[in-house]
Amino acid sequence: SQQGEEDPQALSIQEGENATMNCSYKTSINNLQWYRQNSGRGLVHLILIRSNEREKHSGRLRVTLDTSKKSSSLLITASRAADTASYFCATVLTGANSKLTFGKGITLSVRP
Amino acid sequence: NAGVTQTPKFRVLKTGQSMTLLCAQDMNHEYMYWYRQDPGMGLRLIHYSVGEGTTAKGEVPDGYNVSRLKKQNFLLGLESAAPSQTSVYFCASSYSIGTAMEDTQYFGPGTRLTVL
Repeated sequence: SQQGEEDPQALSIQEGENATMNCSYKTSINNLQWYRQNSGRGLVHLILIRSNEREKHSGRLRVTLDTSKKSSSLLITASRAADTASYFCATVLTGANSKLTFGKGITLSVRP
Repeated sequence: NAGVTQTPKFRVLKTGQSMTLLCAQDMNHEYMYWYRQDPGMGLRLIHYSVGEGTTAKGEVPDGYNVSRLKKQNFLLGLESAAPSQTSVYFCASSYSIGTAMEDTQYFGPGTRLTVL
């Protein structure tokens, strides 16, 4: 079952622009994580935000979490061609033995 | 540190053949996972392990078996491969707190498997 759903499915922007990607989920979470996957490679962890946090930053990345709306957004500022990749949100539900469940991903293309 | 490594990188099987995918991690992580990634489906958990000698079923376990004889290794076996098992397989590991899988997962580079 799909817990996190990303929006949009695909995004194309010009280098230097900001990219905003959204994730919605259905049930209470322990934390939400964003991963990046370059073509033909494994996933790389970007940011983890816990349910009691509202915003986190890491370099050019900013993640927000709104538990009342059950949604999160990932903002990449001043995008670069190297940011071209697929981005996945993944959630860990509350409760013991809860597993990390991935969405289907967003394909981001940054045009030079 | 090599992180998480997977062998082989590519493999082509005929229907009914068997094979084992090997995952190794050098981060002393307790938890290890096997996922498959299919177009438009995201990642789906096949099996996972919360420690040496333990294994558990994930979302799509049918047709696969796993073993975790050593903490650093997690093996995924296909006893009788089927075309529906054509996919990209990813191994991951994490250092998790207590019994909860709360932490960052570290992924290997993947194994691309084609079953004819």
